[in-house]
Amino acid sequence: EIVLTQSPGTLSLSPGERATLSCRASQSVSSSYLAWYQQKPGQAPRLLIYGVSNRATGIPDRFSGSGSGTDFTLTISGLEPEDFAVYYCQQSVGSRWTFGQGTKVEIK
Amino acid sequence: QVQLVESGGGVVQPGRSLRLSCAASGFTFSYYGMHWVRQAPGKGLEWVAVIWYDGSNEYYVDSVKGRFNISRDNSKNTLYLQMNNVRADDTAVYYCTRWTGDEINWYFDLWGRGTLVTVSS
Repeated sequence: EIVLTQSPGTLSLSPGERATLSCRASQSVSSSYLAWYQQKPGQAPRLLIYGVSNRATGIPDRFSGSGSGTDFTLTISGLEPEDFAVYYCQQSVGSRWTFGQGTKVEIK
Repeated sequence: QVQLVESGGGVVQPGRSLRLSCAASGFTFSYYGMHWVRQAPGKGLEWVAVIWYDGSNEYYVDSVKGRFNISRDNSKNTLYLQMNNVRADDTAVYYCTRWTGDEINWYFDLWGRGTLVTVSS
């Protein structure tokens, strides 16, 4: 099973700042199956990025994804108040799906 | 509109059974693989199970193998999760989610609001 490790666990930033979230896989992940989700308290997860770098419908361009192999990054170029949430990376291979443990982006 | 609505959660005693349902609407349910993902209180997301679009294949996370069964009724646009011999660590919000792709990239694009299962005596 591929383990995804996200860092940092918590990111304390101010609105307008840039957020850089990391997702590291225990073995190489196919880019076709690497996605990022946002979750706010009491809500279901919401797809942000798929295929490493493709924004989902309606996702603003301040969100971007990059990476390959075992190292992936989600960047939020300038935090808006609605961006403070928990972010998860996710991958699938061989009929197994796994999520990272999440990074919480909180207001500093 | 396009949506997934889970139901069937509640309080259940350890060792007992519970069946969750997920009603799909607004899209052709039989075209999509469907999954259950859970989230224990204050914890992260954990993938639980998948069923192929036609029900031909099922896969489970190791911790639920032999206890949970995923199924679907495409005539009723409904996904199920039969939970048997439940344990305290099965306590979570259970989400159903749609797996989709564009022939190159694959992802969960639609999620229900979840149903809470609490395992407690």
